[in-house]
Amino acid sequence: QVHLQESGPGLVKPSETLSLTCTVSRGSMRNYYWSWIRLAPGKGLEWIGYVYHSGRTTYNSSLRSRVSISVDTPKYQFSLRLNSVTAADTAVYYCARLGGHYYDSATYDPKWFDSWGQGTLVTVSS
Amino acid sequence: SYVLTQPASESVAPGQTARITCGGDNIRSKSVHWYQVKPGQAPVLVVYDDGDRPSGIPERFSGSNSGNTATLIISRVEGGDEADYYCQVWDGSNDHYVFGPGTQLTVL
Repeated sequence: QVHLQESGPGLVKPSETLSLTCTVSRGSMRNYYWSWIRLAPGKGLEWIGYVYHSGRTTYNSSLRSRVSISVDTPKYQFSLRLNSVTAADTAVYYCARLGGHYYDSATYDPKWFDSWGQGTLVTVSS
Repeated sequence: SYVLTQPASESVAPGQTARITCGGDNIRSKSVHWYQVKPGQAPVLVVYDDGDRPSGIPERFSGSNSGNTATLIISRVEGGDEADYYCQVWDGSNDHYVFGPGTQLTVL
């Protein structure tokens, strides 16, 4: 069973950049889609974006101007950068793997999140 | 963009059946997935594709999808089922993943 673990600073100042890394273990990163999701206090889950093992990305249009997700498959890691943060970006940030139906042995249609990290709380405050 | 609705809370007695709804325009045309979220723990996929269960998820968890409403059904509810539950769909119009606002399930 693949294991995901988030890491990074728990406190970020307003207007600065939030940077988190997700380390993947007990499984391959190749041919999978990897995603970031957040849960703000008193709110629901919000999808941030995903990166394919090739580096191709798709972002939530509401965050697209501030977000960047990258992948480093030799290190079994993928990362999130969110710039110009405000208090509204305070949340628990989760990394997750996308699952779906396979077209062939290596290609699938990503539709649901089948494995998650336990999340890391990031607070934006001066 | 596609919008999902869920009741803020539901409560159920142990041993009874909980039904958590997820509303959306013609949601029956989409595949709906459900997650169990507990504080400090990794969220868990409990149902995918409307009613299929990942390996390791008890048969007590099932789902349905019809018209404008999808439903997560938890039979023989246990105290450990107390959590927030979120529905999710893929919005093909913009390749976005959309979550409902979540339902807090309380086991009385």
